[in-house]
Amino acid sequence: AQTVTQSQPEMSVQEAETVTLSCTYDTSESDYYLFWYKQPPSRQMILVIRQEAYKQQNATENRFSVNFQKAAKSFSLKISDSQLGDAAMYFCAYRSANYGGATNKLIFGTGTLLAVQP
Amino acid sequence: DGGITQSPKYLFRKEGQNVTLSCEQNLNHDAMYWYRQDPGQGLRLIYYSQIVNDFQKGDIAEGYSVSREKKESFPLTVTSAQKNPTAFYLCASSTLAGGETQYFGPGTRLLVL
Repeated sequence: AQTVTQSQPEMSVQEAETVTLSCTYDTSESDYYLFWYKQPPSRQMILVIRQEAYKQQNATENRFSVNFQKAAKSFSLKISDSQLGDAAMYFCAYRSANYGGATNKLIFGTGTLLAVQP
Repeated sequence: DGGITQSPKYLFRKEGQNVTLSCEQNLNHDAMYWYRQDPGQGLRLIYYSQIVNDFQKGDIAEGYSVSREKKESFPLTVTSAQKNPTAFYLCASSTLAGGETQYFGPGTRLLVL
C-alpha cells in the first residue's frame, strides 16, 4: 500500500522569505501523480500544485515550485516570496495513475502547519 | 460559477440519530468522494462513486452510507452505528481520467451533543 509522510508538523517563515516543505512517499508503482493542497483557516482544500511522475521537469505555479526526486521518492514544496496569505496547513497527496476504482483515491500525509511572520 | 457546495456548514448529532450531509457539484464530474479529517491526521476516504447508482466503500466506510441518484449529488449519511462521528467531512469530485485533480467543497463540521 502507498503511504505519504510529512515529517515537519510545523514550519515558520518570515514574510518575503523562502520556505521548503518536505514530503516523502512509498509506492511500488512507476506511474502516479503527486499533489500539494493548501488548507487555510477556512478549511477549504485548495490545490496548490500537481506533478506527474512520468515528467522529469519540476512543476511550477507562480511562487510555488516542487523538487521531485523520483528515485528518492521525495516531493518537496518551495514557496518563494512568502506572503501572509500563505499561512495554512499544507498537505502532500499521492494518487495512482491507474484508471478507476479505489486507485482514484488520494492518499494524504498528516500535513505541515505553516506560519508566516510579518 | 462552477464548484462544489456542501451543507450544512455545522451539524449537531444526538445519540442514536442519523444525520445526512449534502454535497452538490456543477462541474459535470463523474466521480465523487467523501473524506473524513481528524485533528493531526490527513484525510481518509469514506466512500466514492464513479457513476450514478454505483458507489464503493473506501478505507473507513463502517457507520456511513451514501447514495448517488443524480450525477450532481452525493449525500453522506452518518448512522448511529458510527461511534465516533465528530470530525470534519470533505466532499470532492473529479473526472474519471487517471490522475485527474480532485476539487473539494468547503466541508461540514459534525459535532455530537
